[in-house]
Amino acid sequence: AQKVTQAQTEISVVEKEDVTLDCVYETRDTTYYLFWYKQPPSGELVFLIRRNSFDEQNEISGRYSWNFQKSTSSFNFTITASQVVDSAVYFCALRGGGADGLTFGKGTHLIIQP
Amino acid sequence: SAVISQKPSRDICQRGTSLTIQCQVDSQVTMMFWYRQQPGQSLTLIATANQGSEATYESGFVIDKFPISRPNLTFSTLTVSNMSPEDSSIYLCSVEEGRQSYNEQFFGPGTRLTVL
Repeated sequence: AQKVTQAQTEISVVEKEDVTLDCVYETRDTTYYLFWYKQPPSGELVFLIRRNSFDEQNEISGRYSWNFQKSTSSFNFTITASQVVDSAVYFCALRGGGADGLTFGKGTHLIIQP
Repeated sequence: SAVISQKPSRDICQRGTSLTIQCQVDSQVTMMFWYRQQPGQSLTLIATANQGSEATYESGFVIDKFPISRPNLTFSTLTVSNMSPEDSSIYLCSVEEGRQSYNEQFFGPGTRLTVL
């Protein structure tokens, strides 16, 4: 069985602070894929990143960066110099190597205060 | 990426009735999925909608309650049958392009269902 744990239910920071959202996963698959999605108050799900299990290279996209560590089964997401528009619920998700859908974590509600 | 639309965007229904949600994609996609997001909760996969065959349901979801159709590669429907207030949720359609499992999954805008 697959499982994704986002232990942080809610995080509140002041604008311009850096913030890291944690994601820990469990899977028996040797090949798997990890995702992050953003769900702003409007409700739509916005795809942020996909990472393959065989590629442990960290990735940076503007103010966003992701740290993938297979040794600790973690795929953490960092926002630097946070902005109010970053306020949203962020979901980490996992997909095994077969043709199935995503297993989501419970989400982290990020609040950026001005 | 594919553009996904869902109808209706929201609805308020009475207990015991059924609602059919439509998902339309602007291009042919191999994989289509239906998810449920209960209020304040995460997303849970209901089923994989298979073109030309019966949907594949996840544990806890059954065809009698959530019948799914997928007549072609651009369209699918999810019916929520014999509704109760516990079915109040956002229902989301998701698609994956290509045959590789590492493709991104994109989500529709969702259908917000309230059952009274």
